Amino acid sequence: AQSVTQPDIHITVSEGASLELRCNYSYGATPYLFWYVQSPGQGLQLLLKYFSGDTLVQGIKGFEAEFKRSQSSFNLRKPSVHWSDAAEYFCAVGEGSYIPTFGRGTSLIVHP
Amino acid sequence: SQTIHQWPATLVQPVGSPLSLECTVEGTSNPNLYWYRQAAGRGLQLLFYSVGIGQISSEVPQNLSASRPQDRQFILSSKKLLLSDSGFYLCAWSVLAGEGGQFFGPGTRLTVL
Repeated sequence: AQSVTQPDIHITVSEGASLELRCNYSYGATPYLFWYVQSPGQGLQLLLKYFSGDTLVQGIKGFEAEFKRSQSSFNLRKPSVHWSDAAEYFCAVGEGSYIPTFGRGTSLIVHP
Repeated sequence: SQTIHQWPATLVQPVGSPLSLECTVEGTSNPNLYWYRQAAGRGLQLLFYSVGIGQISSEVPQNLSASRPQDRQFILSSKKLLLSDSGFYLCAWSVLAGEGGQFFGPGTRLTVL
């Protein structure tokens, strides 16, 4: 069965600093991988997705993620964080079927 | 473009009362539809999903039920709410293959007192 681990429950960064949120997955084949962002009291918004091809994926809001098969990871990065990036971030893994598995989420706190 | 609506946005209900949350999708046909719940400080719990009208799969045994009376309408119901039903309810849709990711509605905040 597929699974997703987001090892960091909370991450605190200063505004303008770089960001990396970790995501590790367990799946036998090449997975479909996703990152979502959830602002307080809102639904989830898809940031980016990876299916195949280039392992560095660009998303919205200046985010990118890199798929590393050898490490079973799909970490989310941003070179310079803005205060508006404070939110909950979810990694998810799918298999081309319609029910992805979500991680528990990482809460990003941005200090001014 | 596709949009997804949920209502109501917030709801406060007494224990034992019925529940009906509605979700509708516009701009797409034959979507997969999902109901999730988020308890405070926790991740997403998949409650129900549907691949077509009248086709509902339940992921977690509970006092909730779901129905899909129309292609782009998904309803979450309960006959008698429990305190533990409080949470943030999210509806989502995806294309049939599920390859494009899921698209979430704005959510309904349910408080059961």
